[in-house]
Parts: sequence; structure tokens; C-alpha cells
Amino acid sequence: NAGVTQTPKFQVLKTGQSMTLQCAQDMNHNSMYWYRQDPGMGLRLIYYSASEGTTDKGEVPNGYNVSRLNKREFSLRLESAAPSQTSVYFCASSVYRQSRGSPLHFGNGTRLTVT
Amino acid sequence: AQSVSQHNHHVILSEAASLELGCNYSYGGTVNLFWYVQYPGQHLQLLLKYFSGDPLVKGIKGFEAEFIKSKFSFNLRKPSVQWSDTAEYFCAVNERNAGNMLTFGGGTRLMVKP
Repeated sequence: NAGVTQTPKFQVLKTGQSMTLQCAQDMNHNSMYWYRQDPGMGLRLIYYSASEGTTDKGEVPNGYNVSRLNKREFSLRLESAAPSQTSVYFCASSVYRQSRGSPLHFGNGTRLTVT
Repeated sequence: AQSVSQHNHHVILSEAASLELGCNYSYGGTVNLFWYVQYPGQHLQLLLKYFSGDPLVKGIKGFEAEFIKSKFSFNLRKPSVQWSDTAEYFCAVNERNAGNMLTFGGGTRLMVKP
């Protein structure tokens, strides 16, 4: 099993450009998440999808959109990239909701630089 | 809003030293507690979790953590660290009433000198 697969691994964008980060999991998990990791700030939740067909805002949703395409795939879109979005982005999935104590399984991350 | 504090940003230890990393959270209700570890060049993975029951939780690689409700703490411990424990450690807390929101601390970078 591949687990959680993210593409691309690295990306450089110019301010104002758009891009979509792809994420797929093969563990039949119900919930999927997008986090960003910045030095000294830990991981901050951007958006999550508790189950197929639903999406909800997390802690830092501004400037991002998401699509839960099916149970396996959850994409993150930056419509107009800004330097403040330079970060490492992690996709994660879990069998159940966090309130049931279900641990997260993470992808390998996408390092995004916006110039 | 929930907040999670990890007081030590960087810790340097020699092999065989004992480790304790602090984690405190701000919410007074029922919580689920996690420690995740990120080894150099790898993705985050679960080290241990507390959901209910015995407040002393044992995880992988000899790590353990103790949930002290009165202190809003979930400190991570290991009696004797190894060079391979060099990594960044993240505490994370979920308020059960908040559903799917998991709040992470800022992380602690541990360097173990051989």
C-alpha cells in the first residue's frame, strides 16, 4: 500500500499564479485534511473533509479552495498565490473523525515557494 | 480557541540521557491527545495517543506520555535516548466537541549527540 500520496513534491510559483496540489489515499479512510507547516508554528489546518462530499474550513483557509473528488482524492487549490503561502503542505487522512481518537496518516509533503 | 504549547523549541542531549518534552493545552473539556514525530526527510508519524483509560500511555520506540488532567499537560518521556531519536516532535490536541479539528503545538527539535 502506498498510503497517502501527494504531488508534486516541490513547486515554485510566481505571485498571482495558480496551482492545484493533489492528494490520494488508498487506505479507504473517511476523513482527509490539508495542513501547512511553517517553522516554529507547527502544523495548521487549512481545510478538511470529514467524509466524501463534505468539506470544512480549518484554522487558516483564506486563499485556498479544496475539492473532495471522491473517497480517495482531496485536492488543494491556490487561485492566486502569494509569498505568504510559501510553506510545506501536508495531506493527511484518518479512518474516523479526530473526536474518535483516530490518528492521522500523512503524505510526504509538498514544498511550495512563491516568489 | 484551543491552543497547544510546547515549551522547548530545541533540545540537545547526549545518548543515554533521559528525555522529557513538555506539552500543555488550554481547553478544559474532554480531549484526545497525540504525539507525532517527524524524522529528518520523512513525513509525520504517530508516536502515541491518549483517548481514554490509563493516563500513562506507552508508544513506539520506548516513548511514553502521561496525561495529567489537573495540569492540562501531556508530557513525552523516554528514559534513555538514542542518536536515532533525532527528530522533531509535535504534540496535538483534539477537543472532542470540536469534531475534526486537531490543534498542533509548535514542535520541539531534538538533537541527540552520539
